[in-house]
Amino acid sequence: EVQLVESGGGLVQPGGSLRLSCAVSGFTFSDHYMDWVRQAPGKGLEWVGRTRNKGNSYTTEYAASVKGRFTISRDDSKNSLYLQMNSLKTEDTAVYYCARTIGGAEPMDVWGQGTTVTVSS
Amino acid sequence: DIQMTQSPSTLSASVGDRVTITCRASQSISTWLAWYQQKPGKAPKLLIYSASSLETGVPSRFSGSGSGTEFNFSISSLQPDDFATYYCQECNGYPLTFGGGTKVEIK
Repeated sequence: EVQLVESGGGLVQPGGSLRLSCAVSGFTFSDHYMDWVRQAPGKGLEWVGRTRNKGNSYTTEYAASVKGRFTISRDDSKNSLYLQMNSLKTEDTAVYYCARTIGGAEPMDVWGQGTTVTVSS
Repeated sequence: DIQMTQSPSTLSASVGDRVTITCRASQSISTWLAWYQQKPGKAPKLLIYSASSLETGVPSRFSGSGSGTEFNFSISSLQPDDFATYYCQECNGYPLTFGGGTKVEIK
């Protein structure tokens, strides 16, 4: 069974840092691009960023709202995806989802259940 | 950046109704468009990709059409399980963007 499981969410003060993880199973992780998408309370979906696969040099893309503060990485040997979030702002409060993409201009076909990040003093 | 404008934002309908949601892109995205369903407290679920291709396992009452800048998503006969929020997403370029969502409510 294809599965994505996020962890690492929690309460953090503005300006703080948090690292989210996404553990995957049931498919060849190294073949896939992976995305992070977030959803603020009561709001719509917002794409956060993407990491490509090894064949595409693990290059990354980010939304303007997080560029320079968030870093996406992956460890194919551990079937894991990460989101390092620094300089957190109250507006980063959201449920964060990891999602699988085949690559290129393809949709996100499998999603995790999400992990909640709350940025508040 | 490509902007995705989805309408309506809310739709009230009854079981058995046909419903249609529209998504407009601010520039041509060919058919690089996906549709997702999201229920409260759950992750989004892919329904349609490449504007009109049905994801495996998704009921045939769901359909998508369009290309370029205008796209439609339809449910031919609304079922109780279909009351949810639906999002379009352009898959063509960065940043990837979602429409604002359409909440399908019980009339």
